[in-house]
Amino acid sequence: NAGVTQTPKFQVLKTGQSMTLQCAQDMNHEYMSWYRQDPGMGLRLIHYSVGAGITDQGEVPNGYNVSRSTTEDFPLRLLSAAPSQTSVYFCASRPTSGNVYEQYFGPGTRLTVT
Amino acid sequence: KQEVTQIPAALSVPEGENLVLNCSFTDSAIYNLQWFRQDPGKGLTSLLLIQSSQREQTSGRLNASLDKSSGRSTLYIAASQPGDSATYLCAVWGDMRFGAGTRLTVKP
Repeated sequence: NAGVTQTPKFQVLKTGQSMTLQCAQDMNHEYMSWYRQDPGMGLRLIHYSVGAGITDQGEVPNGYNVSRSTTEDFPLRLLSAAPSQTSVYFCASRPTSGNVYEQYFGPGTRLTVT
Repeated sequence: KQEVTQIPAALSVPEGENLVLNCSFTDSAIYNLQWFRQDPGKGLTSLLLIQSSQREQTSGRLNASLDKSSGRSTLYIAASQPGDSATYLCAVWGDMRFGAGTRLTVKP
């Protein structure tokens, strides 16, 4: 199992550009989520999904869009990047039955917006 | 809104020392508390999960305790090793709030 994979690892954008951060998992987990991690702050939840076709907002959703067309993939879209979105982004997945607290994290994408 | 705080932000200790990392939270109505390890450039790895009905959990040299009434959890690391150097984060289940972490350095 590859677990949770994220691409790209690093990205530099100019203000106003758009891009998609990719996230995939091969563990057949229903629940997937996106977090951002900023210096001196804990991870903050951006969006999450409890299954294909179902998404919801987390603590800091503004400026980000998500969709979930398959169980495996959960891309995060930045529509018009802003310097405030400079951060490290983590994708995570976990099952919704059995050991529901076993959350798996991807290695992160470090995004810089200039 | 749940607030999770970890103090200190950074800690440096000599190898072999026993140490305690602290996590405090403002709302005691939590489901569980979880401790994670984060290595530089990597994602988070779960270390210990304490369910709300439990008071502590142990795994090897790690012991985590939970006191919901006081809004505190501690992670005890026994006989620290250089390989323990990492950032340790606590997270409170309910709406999954994370602390900012404690960056631990264990010097040989």
